[in-house]
Amino acid sequence: AQKVTQAQTEISVVEKEDVTLDCVYETRDTTYYLFWYKQPPSGELVFLIRRNSFDEQNEISGRYSWNFQKSTSSFNFTITASQVVDSAVYFCAASTWTNAGKSTFGDGTTLTVKP
Amino acid sequence: DGGITQSPKYLFRKEGQNVTLSCEQNLNHDAMYWYRQDPGQGLRLIYYSQIVNDFQKGDIAEGYSVSREKKESFPLTVTSAQKNPTAFYLCATAFGGTSSYEQYFGPGTRLTVT
Repeated sequence: AQKVTQAQTEISVVEKEDVTLDCVYETRDTTYYLFWYKQPPSGELVFLIRRNSFDEQNEISGRYSWNFQKSTSSFNFTITASQVVDSAVYFCAASTWTNAGKSTFGDGTTLTVKP
Repeated sequence: DGGITQSPKYLFRKEGQNVTLSCEQNLNHDAMYWYRQDPGQGLRLIYYSQIVNDFQKGDIAEGYSVSREKKESFPLTVTSAQKNPTAFYLCATAFGGTSSYEQYFGPGTRLTVT
């Protein structure tokens, strides 16, 4: 079984600040997959990114970047120059090859970006 | 449009009644999932199906039932045995039946039972 911990329950920043959302995962499997999802106030979760355990390359997509570090079992998500539209709940999730299609979600981090 | 449809968006029922939430997809995805989300909390897996005519219990299956007779459809029935059914219910799909694929979510159904 795997476990995902998002220690930050709520974060509040002012627009244009950078913000990092932490995610720590636990798994005994050597092959696993990590995900980030965004849940805006409307409620529908939106997929942001997937990383495989054998690919530790960090990724940047516009104002979003992800830092995957096996050594610390972390998969952190940074938003650069935050905007009010970034306000949402962000979920980190993990799944393993042996877990037959199931993902384990963290409890989420609520990000509020104030103008 | 390709996507996942959940209807209705809001649903109200009296205690003791069974209610069925619909989830339809035209993404041609093999796997489908049902999650429950309570206010301020994360997602909890109710049931999932990796292939037609097969489904598995998730972490909180008691008081719920599902069927997967068609690839496109995965309805969830909340039975009267579910002690606290008021919640936000999310349906999701994934391309394959393995764990490597990301999930795509529907807009959700907010169920209120009084």
